[in-house]
Amino acid sequence: AQSVTQPDIHITVSEGASLELRCNYSYGATPYLFWYVQSPGQGLQLLLKYFSGDTLVQGIKGFEAEFKRSQSSFNLRKPSVHWSDAAEYFCAVGAINTNAGKSTFGDGTTLTVKP
Amino acid sequence: DTEVTQTPKHLVMGMTNKKSLKCEQHMGHRAMYWYKQKAKKPPELMFVYSYEKLSINESVPSRFSPECPNSSLLNLHLHALQPEDSALYLCASSQVSRGPNEKLFFGSGTQLSVL
Repeated sequence: AQSVTQPDIHITVSEGASLELRCNYSYGATPYLFWYVQSPGQGLQLLLKYFSGDTLVQGIKGFEAEFKRSQSSFNLRKPSVHWSDAAEYFCAVGAINTNAGKSTFGDGTTLTVKP
Repeated sequence: DTEVTQTPKHLVMGMTNKKSLKCEQHMGHRAMYWYKQKAKKPPELMFVYSYEKLSINESVPSRFSPECPNSSLLNLHLHALQPEDSALYLCASSQVSRGPNEKLFFGSGTQLSVL
C-alpha cells in the first residue's frame, strides 16, 4: 500500500519569499503524485500532478513540483509567495489500477504568509 | 461550467434528525464521490458512484446512505448521526473513475455539526 508523509505541519513565509513544501511517498512502483490546495472553508483544488515524463511539473497559480525517484520526494515550490497562497496544502499518491478517489493523502501543511 | 455545487453550506442537526446533503455538477462527469474531512486532517473517501451505480463503499456506517438519482446529482442521506460525525463533507466528480490519473473537481463542502 502507498503512503505519504508531509514532514512540515506548519510553515510561515513572508510575502514575496520563495516557498518549498516537502512531500515524501512510499510506493513500490511508479506513483501518481498530486498536490492539492484547500483554502479555509473550501474544497480541494488540484495544483499539479505527475505520473511520467518530465520530472519538473508546472501547475496552476505559479506552482511547480519536482519528482525525485531516488529520494521518493515530490516537493512543491513557488518562487514568490502571495498573501492569497495562505492555505492548507495536501500531497497525495495514487497507485496504478486503483480508483481515482482512493489516492492516499498526506496530513497536510498549513501555509501562513506574513505581510 | 467547472463547478461542483454543494448545499447546504452549513447544517446543524440533532442525533435523532434526518437530513440530506446535496451535490450537483453539470460537467457531464460520470463519477461522483463523497469524502469526510475532520478539521486539520486530509479528506477520507466514503463512497464512489460510477455511471450512477455505487462502486465503492469504504465500510461507512449505515447511518450514512448515498443516492445518485441521475448523472448530475448526488445525495447523502443522514440519520441518527453521532457527534463524532461532525465534519466537513466534500463532494467531488471526475469524468470517469477508471484510474488514479482522473482529475477530481471538488465542491466547497457542507460543514455538518451534530448536537
